[in-house]
Amino acid sequence: DAKTTQPPSMDCAEGRAANLPCNHSTISGNEYVYWYRQIHSQGPQYIIHGLKNNETNEMASLIITEDRKSSTLILPHATLRDTAVYYCIVRYDTGNQFYFGTGTSLTVIP
Amino acid sequence: GAVVSQHPSWVICKSGTSVKIECRSLDFQATTMFWYRQFPKQSLMLMATSNEGSKATYEQGVEKDKFLINHASLTLSTLTVTSAHPEDSSFYICSARARDRGGNTIYFGEGSWLTVV
Repeated sequence: DAKTTQPPSMDCAEGRAANLPCNHSTISGNEYVYWYRQIHSQGPQYIIHGLKNNETNEMASLIITEDRKSSTLILPHATLRDTAVYYCIVRYDTGNQFYFGTGTSLTVIP
Repeated sequence: GAVVSQHPSWVICKSGTSVKIECRSLDFQATTMFWYRQFPKQSLMLMATSNEGSKATYEQGVEKDKFLINHASLTLSTLTVTSAHPEDSSFYICSARARDRGGNTIYFGEGSWLTVV
């Protein structure tokens, strides 16, 4: 599976949009981009995933560049409860293992 | 999303004893389950992948005789830490693969805190 690079930490003001970047320059054509987050002392929570097109759900939006070498997770109106470590993972749809990188620690500031 | 449940949420055991952690997929069948370990302020480390009815596949550096994994049914996998030592104290997390729209999403349990004293 392709490796990902994320900034180690970010801050965001409450109520503003949080934009979390992820680089995956070695991604192959069949690999999906997944985003998870982990709030302290809990299991990771699924947020969103996509292949080529931008995706949106009730939690977030996922913007994937046309060359698919990077993506951005957008939390449109960050709240204090969005403070967590966010992980970007790329893997094949039929792939088995699911490896985590170091993620981005997002702190939402009141 | 799909629900994965772990039990117990936390456990304290004496050094040298064994402890079992259960992972259940509550509303779907999981042919594949994964076990992770996470130390404080670190990322999740994949320990092993288990497929229902077959032996688990362990990641490099993970002792298969120490971390026994059983995936006897489509909804249950267990991790047994044998002869536990204080260095085995960690946050253990399981996950299961569920087929859904256009993808192959993994859902995680709430995690189990193991403290070996």
